[in-house]
Amino acid sequence: EVQLLESGGGLVQPGGSLRLSCAASGFIFNDYAMGWVRQAPGKGLQWVSVISATGGDRWHTESVKGRFTISRDNSKNTLYLQVDSLRFEDTAVYYCARGGSFSNPPSYAFDYWGQGTLVTVSS
Amino acid sequence: EIVLTQSPGTLSLSPGERATLSCRASQSVSDIYLAWYQQKPGQAPRLLIYAASRRATGIPDRFSGSGSGTDFTLTISRLEPEDFAMFYCQQYFRSPITFGQGTRLEIK
Repeated sequence: EVQLLESGGGLVQPGGSLRLSCAASGFIFNDYAMGWVRQAPGKGLQWVSVISATGGDRWHTESVKGRFTISRDNSKNTLYLQVDSLRFEDTAVYYCARGGSFSNPPSYAFDYWGQGTLVTVSS
Repeated sequence: EIVLTQSPGTLSLSPGERATLSCRASQSVSDIYLAWYQQKPGQAPRLLIYAASRRATGIPDRFSGSGSGTDFTLTISRLEPEDFAMFYCQQYFRSPITFGQGTRLEIK
């Protein structure tokens, strides 16, 4: 059974940083691209970042470029999102998701999702 | 970026009825780069349909997708009580990946 378990969210002041983690199990992690999608309270879904299966290629949505960095450790079956210079508008549930093998880089659909971790940016 | 517009915003139907949800793209996303997700309150999204018409693993056959180019449809043939939720379409034809704003399917 595919499982994705996020952690690392919390309350942070504007300008602060967090590192989100996603522990994967139930599949061969280094065979799949992985991504982060966020959802602000009461709002829709917004793609944030995607990383290729090897970690050699990464893509971020424009609004987080230079502030967020996606990475992965295939030896630990773990995906990360380093979030720096946080803004009020970054407040959201951050979901880790697996890139479907039916899709191609850099644009993926996501076939399995974690339950999310909440990041709240507030002073 | 490709903008996806979903309609209607809210759909009120009864169990047993047929639901038809629409997703229109601002430019063509080809025939296969369109997905649909279901999201229930407090839960993560679940992939229902990919490649416009292919059901994801474990999705009941009352869910079907159709369309190509810029116009796509998700149909639920006979609504079950557990089907009422938010639905999002997503294009993965071109970066940035984008989602529609969602359709809320509520019990009438």
